[in-house]
Amino acid sequence: DAGITQSPRHKVTETGTPVTLRCHQTENHRYMYWYRQDPGHGLRLIHYSYGVKDTDKGEVSDGYSVSRSKTEDFLLTLESATSSQTSVYFCAISDDVGYTFGSGTRLTVV
Amino acid sequence: EDQVTQSPEALRLQEGESSSLNCSYTVSGLRGLFWYRQDPGKGPEFLFTLYSAGEEKEKERLKATLTKKESFLHITAPKPEDSATYLCAVQASGYSTLTFGKGTMLLVSP
Repeated sequence: DAGITQSPRHKVTETGTPVTLRCHQTENHRYMYWYRQDPGHGLRLIHYSYGVKDTDKGEVSDGYSVSRSKTEDFLLTLESATSSQTSVYFCAISDDVGYTFGSGTRLTVV
Repeated sequence: EDQVTQSPEALRLQEGESSSLNCSYTVSGLRGLFWYRQDPGKGPEFLFTLYSAGEEKEKERLKATLTKKESFLHITAPKPEDSATYLCAVQASGYSTLTFGKGTMLLVSP
């Protein structure tokens, strides 16, 4: 078990407020990813990291920023949340067999 | 641009009725093709990775196969507990990120 923890599990926030989602891993994996999952779109890559302070954009990065100051933590920030960012967010790590996903954060922007 | 198309979008089977799920892909050099299972409210769970055409992998009632253009997930004598959404993803050579299809929702009735 890769030991991935996402927090919070659920969040409701208002339009225009900043939101930070946290992904924590316990096994020192180098690569970490943030995906969002929406009906009709499947899983889409937002940002990923290939090491401390090394990050890159994915397919749907607009409106999102990330930070990785420690190997074990990968933060996703919505600087000013919009209703289109209502989604389920999954963090993943890349290990020997492929990707292992966290349990997800359900974010609702009202 | 890498693309993954899964069919059908939804499949309803009777317990014991075998069938197959399809994953068609286009990628600039395949590094790996991945199958995941996702239960409602949970993160995707890794099933298989296939690396080259002709490769097959099995796990209980599931068998995954790979050609140069598509992969099949064969389900033999399914049980109600096999009900889930099955996701296919590809990883291109030289990249760590995955591109996902939209998934096939499988419902197995007793």
